[in-house]
Amino acid sequence: DVKVTQSSRYLVKRTGEKVFLECVQDMDHENMFWYRQDPGLGLRLIYFSYDVKMKEKGDIPEGYSVSREKKERFSLILESASTNQTSMYLCASSLWGTGAQPQHFGDGTRLSIL
Amino acid sequence: DQQVKQNSPSLSVQEGRISILNCDYTNSMFDYFLWYKKYPAEGPTFLISISSIKDKNEDGRFTVFLNKSAKHLSLHIVPSQPGDSAVYFCAVSGGGADGLTFGKGTHLIIQP
Repeated sequence: DVKVTQSSRYLVKRTGEKVFLECVQDMDHENMFWYRQDPGLGLRLIYFSYDVKMKEKGDIPEGYSVSREKKERFSLILESASTNQTSMYLCASSLWGTGAQPQHFGDGTRLSIL
Repeated sequence: DQQVKQNSPSLSVQEGRISILNCDYTNSMFDYFLWYKKYPAEGPTFLISISSIKDKNEDGRFTVFLNKSAKHLSLHIVPSQPGDSAVYFCAVSGGGADGLTFGKGTHLIIQP
């Protein structure tokens, strides 16, 4: 069974801090994704990666960066946290290939920026 | 502009009846259409998908219908059970390794 693990379930940080959200998957998936979920807005794609050291911008990349140094690990970085980045962050992974491959999600990190 | 629309924020259905969740999309180039289910405090879980070359896919109590000419898909759950109470997200893919584009979700409530 696919396991996507996000390092923290809840996180509270201050405005201006640099924040790291970590995600690890154990199924040797090529693709990894970061989304944020906000009430009334659904899930929106921030960044994705289809290989080690590769990254692509999603729909809302501003204020974020990512790092993928190893195949199983995909980190989301908030360079200088702001209150409008308070959200639920979801990591996902999938096998390489067409969009037919379902994405498997972690349980999310609820991030609050004060 | 929203590429994927779920126009019903919530839906209430009696246990044992059919639940029908709807989704509209704007881009006829989308290749795959997926439904995810999400419980509070958990990540979304994949439910069922359909490719653009089909118009129906069935898996147990869940059936997804695709109407390409209307750019519309629907998820039918029959019979509905209390454990089906969750938020359902419609998602589309243009193929390749790109991420999914999600609708805003429909909160399904199954009443006893």
